[in-house]
Amino acid sequence: GAVVSQHPSRVICKSGTSVKIECRSLDFQATTMFWYRQFPKQSLMLMATSNEGSKATYEQGVEKDKFLINHASLTLSTLTVTSAHPEDSSFYICSALSGLNSYEQYFGPGTRLTVT
Amino acid sequence: GQNIDQPTEMTATEGAIVQINCTYQTSGFNGLFWYQQHAGEAPTFLSYNVLDGLEEKGRFSSFLSRSKGYSYLLLKELQMKDSASYLCAVMDSNYQLIWGAGTKLIIKP
Repeated sequence: GAVVSQHPSRVICKSGTSVKIECRSLDFQATTMFWYRQFPKQSLMLMATSNEGSKATYEQGVEKDKFLINHASLTLSTLTVTSAHPEDSSFYICSALSGLNSYEQYFGPGTRLTVT
Repeated sequence: GQNIDQPTEMTATEGAIVQINCTYQTSGFNGLFWYQQHAGEAPTFLSYNVLDGLEEKGRFSSFLSRSKGYSYLLLKELQMKDSASYLCAVMDSNYQLIWGAGTKLIIKP
């Protein structure tokens, strides 16, 4: 099946710094990637939809200047959390749509961000 | 508004059968998904239903009734490794996934 990777898997950063999370589709081209955030014991919250070569579409309430998304190629999307604060600590998950079955999302393993 | 309801937590015994229900109210419907998520991990795809009826895939089956806005995930021959959260998600008319909060399934020996 299709594989999506994320890097890093865990990151600890100091308040005020920026962190970049990479999401890669390893064996397929993903025209669309999604970024989710998950708080403990809660459902996944869609943050933004990322289409290759165009600006990301952010969900209501998500600050686009704080969560920078870049989808420069068909296999890579990045999420940069700028000026991180402790409340940004969360589990960030990306997913990608495979062109072969575009309704099925393949999820990355997630990135655990802790801001101290 | 859009809403997905599923029980918060269920407990079952190893070797038994459990049914996890999901009801939904969404703007349009383009399919219903079930995902399994172990603690600290990303969800993994289990099933996709877009037509009414039962889809069987090994120990897991998923049922959909579009007229009732209802689905269930049936797990047979439960194993300890099935302890996880099971997420129901509906794709709406804009092809966005609307997620339920997940059902935490606890399997006891």
